Amino acid sequence: DIVMTQSPDSLAVSLGERATINCKSSQSVLYSSNNMNYLAWYQQKPGQPPKVLIYWASARESGVPDRFSGSGSGTDFTLTISSLQAEDVAVYYCQQYYTYPYTFGQGTKLEIK
Amino acid sequence: QITLKESGPTLVKPTQTLTLTCTFSGFSFTTSGVGVGWVRQPPGKALEWLALIFGNDDKRYSSSLKTRFTITKDTSKNQVVLTMTNVDPVDTATYFCVHRRYGDFDYWGQGTLVTVSS
Repeated sequence: DIVMTQSPDSLAVSLGERATINCKSSQSVLYSSNNMNYLAWYQQKPGQPPKVLIYWASARESGVPDRFSGSGSGTDFTLTISSLQAEDVAVYYCQQYYTYPYTFGQGTKLEIK
Repeated sequence: QITLKESGPTLVKPTQTLTLTCTFSGFSFTTSGVGVGWVRQPPGKALEWLALIFGNDDKRYSSSLKTRFTITKDTSKNQVVLTMTNVDPVDTATYFCVHRRYGDFDYWGQGTLVTVSS
C-alpha cells in the first residue's frame, strides 16, 4: 500500500498569513503515460464530510477560492493557502488515487494563531 | 445534482454483521469510470478508504479489510450496499458514501455514525 504522510500534524497561522501543508507518498503517484499526479486534497470542517479542494495535485475544484493552491509532483506535494481566512480552520487531508488501495494522509489540523 | 445518503443501524454488537446502504441520485452507473465507494472515520481520527464498486461490477477493497467487507450494487434502486462481518469496537466510526470521479471523491454523503458495543 502507498503510505501518505502529512506534515505538520497541526499548524497555527495568523489571519492573512500563508499556510503550507505537506504530503509525501511512499512511492511516486505520477503516471508517466499522461504526466498526471494522482493526488487530491480535502478540507474537513467539524461535523461535516470532507470537501475536495484540489485534484490532479494542482487542479482547483470549481467554487474553491483561489487562495487555495496545490503543487508538487512524484512523491512530494504541498497545499498552500495564500492568505488564511477564519473559515479555513479545518483538518486537511491528502489522498492518492494512483493505485488501489486508495490511501489518505493522517490529516493536518489548521488553526488560527 | 448529485446526492448520496447513507442508512443503516447506529448500534451493532461485536461479532455481528453490519449492513450499510448508500442511496444516490443525480448520476448513473452507466457513465464510464463512475464508481461509488465507502470511506470511514473513527471519532477524532483520520479518513480510511474501504471499498469501491463500478458500473461493470468491478470491485476494489482495502487491503487490510477485504476479507470482512463485501460491496454490492442494485442499479435499479440506485443503491450500493456495504456488508461487514464480525464487527469489533474498533469498527466504530462515521461511514461515508462517496462518488468517485477520477479517483478522487467529489461528492460525499453526510455520513452515518455506527457504534459497535455490547
